[in-house]
Amino acid sequence: AQSVTQLGSHVSVSEGALVLLRCNYSSSVPPYLFWYVQYPNQGLQLLLKYTSAATLVKGINGFEAEFKKSETSFHLTKPSAHMSDAAEYFCAVSESDSWGKLQFGAGTQVVVTP
Amino acid sequence: EAQVTQNPRYLITVTGKKLTVTCSQNMNHEYMSWYRQDPGLGLRQIYYSMNVEVTDKGDVPEGYKVSRKEKRNFPLILESPSPNQTSLYFCASSLSGTGANQPQHFGDGTRLSIL
Repeated sequence: AQSVTQLGSHVSVSEGALVLLRCNYSSSVPPYLFWYVQYPNQGLQLLLKYTSAATLVKGINGFEAEFKKSETSFHLTKPSAHMSDAAEYFCAVSESDSWGKLQFGAGTQVVVTP
Repeated sequence: EAQVTQNPRYLITVTGKKLTVTCSQNMNHEYMSWYRQDPGLGLRQIYYSMNVEVTDKGDVPEGYKVSRKEKRNFPLILESPSPNQTSLYFCASSLSGTGANQPQHFGDGTRLSIL
């Protein structure tokens, strides 16, 4: 069965500093992995996805994530935080294209300070 | 504009009074799903549908029903709501599933309060 764990429910970063959000997954098969972002009072938007074509995945708004099979991790990073990055971030895993179950982590709230 | 529309956006109701949250998508997507979002728990999948008349349970289906009679609509039904179903609900859709090339399109959410 698939599962996903996000370490840290809240992260505070200074504007211009590195953003690092941690995600570890459990899956019995090669997983599909995603990062979504939720801005206040909105639904979720896709930031990036792991497709097995490359272990380093680039997404929107300067975010990227690296798939590390040996560590079962898919951590999200951004070199320099902007105030507009303040949001909640969710890691998600799916084991199958045609199965239909998508598992989300508990989320990490990012606060950006001037 | 491609979108997933949920109604109502906000609802306060009482225990036991049946309610339906509607979800409609205009992208001709086969796959639709319902989630509830609770603080500290992230999003948990309630039900999903791979196509018309094909539905299956997610991780937290108890107390909910769904139907998929036509491709664009996927209503969530609470036949006898209870206070533990107070939550923020999201509907999502994608072309055909949850794989790598199946980004989920989310609605703006429905905040339900059950007293």
